[in-house]
Amino acid sequence: GAGVSQSPRYKVAKRGQDVALRCDPISGHVSLFWYQQALGQGPEFLTYFQNEAQLDKSGLPSDRFFAERPEGSVSTLKIQRTQQEDSAVYLCASSFLAGAGELFFGEGSRLTVL
Amino acid sequence: AQSVTQLDSQVPVFEEAPVELRCNYSSSVSVYLFWYVQYPNQGLQLLLKYLSGSTLVKGINGFEAEFNKSQTSFHLRKPSVHISDTAEYFCAVSVSGTYKYIFGTGTRLKVLA
Repeated sequence: GAGVSQSPRYKVAKRGQDVALRCDPISGHVSLFWYQQALGQGPEFLTYFQNEAQLDKSGLPSDRFFAERPEGSVSTLKIQRTQQEDSAVYLCASSFLAGAGELFFGEGSRLTVL
Repeated sequence: AQSVTQLDSQVPVFEEAPVELRCNYSSSVSVYLFWYVQYPNQGLQLLLKYLSGSTLVKGINGFEAEFNKSQTSFHLRKPSVHISDTAEYFCAVSVSGTYKYIFGTGTRLKVLA
């Protein structure tokens, strides 16, 4: 596709459920980022991939969060045993370069944990 | 560590008036600077970026920003705003040559008729 695609756009989960959020970056972009955006806040870094390699996962809040990008294109962010504090918008961004290039963002996946 | 401060959480301004959204950063090393705009229920879109060269950067939709190294600022300006400029604006910094982008908390621009 022409842009970064994220699905689902909206997800409501009961506390304790597992969720999976998908990101399809722009074709050819080697860098992929996941960010968490709480209400009224700026995006907070979660993790970074260069192709299939996860080079930085320092922003993942707990071991309940897991991300993968097995073939260097589509990425999945998985949250196990969701808790209310996980409610946020999860943004995926890709870039042809990292550190100087423009980040192209998807529209985000809004997760609400009840 | 790098940080970005956007002091104004909300800025109301009348249509056709000028606006300035402030951004200050802290870093001991060379950085790249960005402004992104987020419309309701949408992802972030790049407005403009400073990598090197001229300190005055022009972006889309008539916005511009000036990099001031001595004041560690990168304020965003527009001489005449439109209703359609109502959105959230985020300043971001990236240390040169790295992948880490740090975003500010955002400024909500509300353009009034």
